[in-house]
Amino acid sequence: EIVMTQSPATLSVSPGERATLSCRASQSVSSNLAWYQQKPGQAPRLLIYGASTRATGIPARFSGSGSGTEFTLTISSLQSEDFAVYYCQQYNNWPPWGFGQGTKVEIK
Amino acid sequence: EVQLVESGGGLVQPGGSLRLSCAASGFTFSSYEMNWVRQAPGKGLEWVSYISSSGSTIYYADSVKGRFTISRDNAKNSLYLQMNSLRAEDTAVYYCARDRGRGEYYFDYWGQGTLVTVSS
Repeated sequence: EIVMTQSPATLSVSPGERATLSCRASQSVSSNLAWYQQKPGQAPRLLIYGASTRATGIPARFSGSGSGTEFTLTISSLQSEDFAVYYCQQYNNWPPWGFGQGTKVEIK
Repeated sequence: EVQLVESGGGLVQPGGSLRLSCAASGFTFSSYEMNWVRQAPGKGLEWVSYISSSGSTIYYADSVKGRFTISRDNAKNSLYLQMNSLRAEDTAVYYCARDRGRGEYYFDYWGQGTLVTVSS
């Protein structure tokens, strides 16, 4: 089973600043890595797939990078609607589909 | 517009059973693999179960294997999760989620979730 580890657990950022979130896989997942955003009381929403491809309707300020075991989600200039919890997920080796434990992006 | 609407959650005693449903619309349901994912209160996401488009291939997380049964009715555009021998640790919001398909196994659409509470 592939274990996904996200860091940091909480990221405090001011609006307009850049946020960088990390995700590490316990073994290579190639580029089969997705990122999801979840706001309180809402379902997760797909942001990024294939490690770096934005899903339909996702703003360009969201970007993903990495391959193998190390991945990054960058939000270039945080907007008020971006404060949320972000999860990474590997879909290279399944079952199970593994999620990271999440990174909460909060207002500084 | 793709829509997934879960129902069937509620309060159940330990050892009890519950059946969740997910009604799909806005896409050809019979062409897509589907999943159940859960989220315990204040916790992260946990994949629960997968079913192929035809229903011929099924997987479960170890935590629910032998207690939960996933199924689908393509004629009714519906996904189900039969949950038996429920435990307190099964308390969670349960989401149905669609596989992107075409060999891509991430989840591109999610329902709003239904809350299952296991408590005496």
